[in-house]
Amino acid sequence: QVQLQQWGAGLLKPSETLSLTCAVYGGSFSRYFWTWIRQTPGKGLEWIGDINDAGSTNYNPSLKSRVSISVDTAKNQFSLKLTSVSAADTAVFYCARGSYDYGDYETFDYWGQGTPVTVSS
Amino acid sequence: DIQMTQSPSSLSASVGDRVTITCRASQSTGRYLNWYQQKPGTAPKFLIYAVSNLQSGVPSRFSGSGSGTVFTLTITSLQPEDFATYYCQQSHSTPRTFGQGTKVEIK
Repeated sequence: QVQLQQWGAGLLKPSETLSLTCAVYGGSFSRYFWTWIRQTPGKGLEWIGDINDAGSTNYNPSLKSRVSISVDTAKNQFSLKLTSVSAADTAVFYCARGSYDYGDYETFDYWGQGTPVTVSS
Repeated sequence: DIQMTQSPSSLSASVGDRVTITCRASQSTGRYLNWYQQKPGTAPKFLIYAVSNLQSGVPSRFSGSGSGTVFTLTITSLQPEDFATYYCQQSHSTPRTFGQGTKVEIK
């Protein structure tokens, strides 16, 4: 059974860098797009970006200047960094598996438990 | 970006009711449309892919339909465990985008 377990700092000050990591247990690490998604009451679910096992990334243009996603295939982990955070970045952050196991249709079929992140001075 | 708009934002229904949620895309997404269910304090759960295909284990009272820019999620005979928030999501293009959610509450 596939499980995603995520961790990282939950309280940041404005201008600091958010750093989260997600470990994948079970299943293959290749063939999938390892994804970060955040959720706020105001903007709902927002796709941040993804990475494959070769290190190829895709980012949401709205965050691209501040986001970096990296992968450690030896540990089956991937990480998110978001620089220069502000209160607007306060959200629950999820890692998820982007899967094409359902044909041409990417779905987010497994999710981490979520990490609440608050940005406050 | 493709904007996804759901209606209604919330609804009240009783156990046994039939419920329909609509999702509209700002441009055609073909069949690249998924649905998720989220309960408070938990991550979204993948329900339906490619408009109408149920993920393994999803009860048959859930169904999806539509094409192009208008899609629907229907729950026939609502059960107590179905009270949750439902999201549509397009995988036609990046950035992937979600609807704002429809909260299904107990009447």
